[in-house]
Amino acid sequence: QLQLQESGPGLVKPSETLSLTCTVSGGSISSSSYYWGWIRQPPGKGLEWIGSIYYSGSTYYNPSLKSRVTISVDTSKNQFSLKLSSVTAADTAVYYCARHYVLPDYWGQGTLVTVSS
Amino acid sequence: QSVLTQPPSASGTPGQRVTISCSGSSSNIGSNYVYWYQQLPGTAPKLLIYRNNQRPSGVPDRFSGSKSGTSASLAISGLRSEDEADYYCAAWDDSLSGRVVVFGGGTKLTVL
Repeated sequence: QLQLQESGPGLVKPSETLSLTCTVSGGSISSSSYYWGWIRQPPGKGLEWIGSIYYSGSTYYNPSLKSRVTISVDTSKNQFSLKLSSVTAADTAVYYCARHYVLPDYWGQGTLVTVSS
Repeated sequence: QSVLTQPPSASGTPGQRVTISCSGSSSNIGSNYVYWYQQLPGTAPKLLIYRNNQRPSGVPDRFSGSKSGTSASLAISGLRSEDEADYYCAAWDDSLSGRVVVFGGGTKLTVL
């Protein structure tokens, strides 16, 4: 059974860079046809897609976040990562990693990241 | 303001049939598949419907999806108390700025 697990700091200071890693188990991140993505959900609000990456490294980013987002993949560790720079309180959210073929099918449990000094 | 429009709330009594709508445009629902997700309180979203009307294994056939033009719907028949959750639709959007995954704002379903 495929499982995804997010990890990283739960508290980030304003203007700093948020860094999260998603570890995939029960399947290979190098499987063809699948993208691996990040989605976030501010407290009490809806879902926002951040971006996705293919195992080869090709990426899609949400234009609204593109200037601050970098998603990378490490096939040797079966992980992919998110970096979001210059964070503000508006970036406080539960961050989910997910696998998608067309759209997300398997999701991680999510991790809350709070931006505060 | 979400690209895909859903009613913020819906409700029904046990055993009833409830539908949740998702309205978009030609650049998203009109030309791409629609997915539906169920999010129980405090948990991650769970895939409910993919490719407009397909159910993953393990999803009861009480849940069904449909799409017509630039709108889609999720129907839940034989409503049960455990169906009380937030429901989201999603699709790719082919905009001028590139391909973007867009979600509806979510519909909170209450089982009365």
